Amino acid sequence: EPEVTQTPSHQVTQMGQEVILRCVPISNHLYFYWYRQILGQKVEFLVSFYNNEISEKSEIFDDQFSVERPDGSNFTLKIRSTKLEDSAMYFCASRTDGQETQYFGPGTRLLVL
Amino acid sequence: GESVGLHLPTLSVQEGDNSIINCAYSNSASDYFIWYKQESGKGPQFIIDIRSNMDKRQGQRVTVLLNKTVKHLSLQIAATQPGDSAVYFCALEEGYSTLTFGKGTMLLVSP
Repeated sequence: EPEVTQTPSHQVTQMGQEVILRCVPISNHLYFYWYRQILGQKVEFLVSFYNNEISEKSEIFDDQFSVERPDGSNFTLKIRSTKLEDSAMYFCASRTDGQETQYFGPGTRLLVL
Repeated sequence: GESVGLHLPTLSVQEGDNSIINCAYSNSASDYFIWYKQESGKGPQFIIDIRSNMDKRQGQRVTVLLNKTVKHLSLQIAATQPGDSAVYFCALEEGYSTLTFGKGTMLLVSP
């Protein structure tokens, strides 16, 4: 069964450093999402992406965040200058056209020191 | 802002029992609701969904009930198994297919 994959599974970085989280959505999916989950809290929406542009973004998704689909398979989330409060699990999700079900990847655990 | 909440943070059941996990929501405009299961260290896994034009939907061992009058959603798991132990999130769709998640209920199944 096709799955969303994410790399790396864990990332440790110093405050102020840039990080890029990578996702490979399910191959025939056209809508892509990033969510985050701070430890012990609920999953929060960050951004949605369709047709090579952002569809929606939350208040969390400020100027430090950006997304990109650099090729036909990858979908990335970049945090330009990480803060301690960026420490969280980051989940990528995707869905196909005509269906609303979003399928989530296993997540990247980001720790900012 | 929108809120989606869960009544019980932890539910402990015996193997074979039926489990019911509840969720309250406040956005009356939402018309698509989903239950996700999250095992430790993994991403949310889709279980079952329901649209607002329905009040009940059944899957394999799972049933989702939607009461739009009181803005309440529940997930029923029949014959709960140890493998069902996980955190269960309700979520509703807002905006252009963005999901708002509840806080989660941990289901603990004892053999």
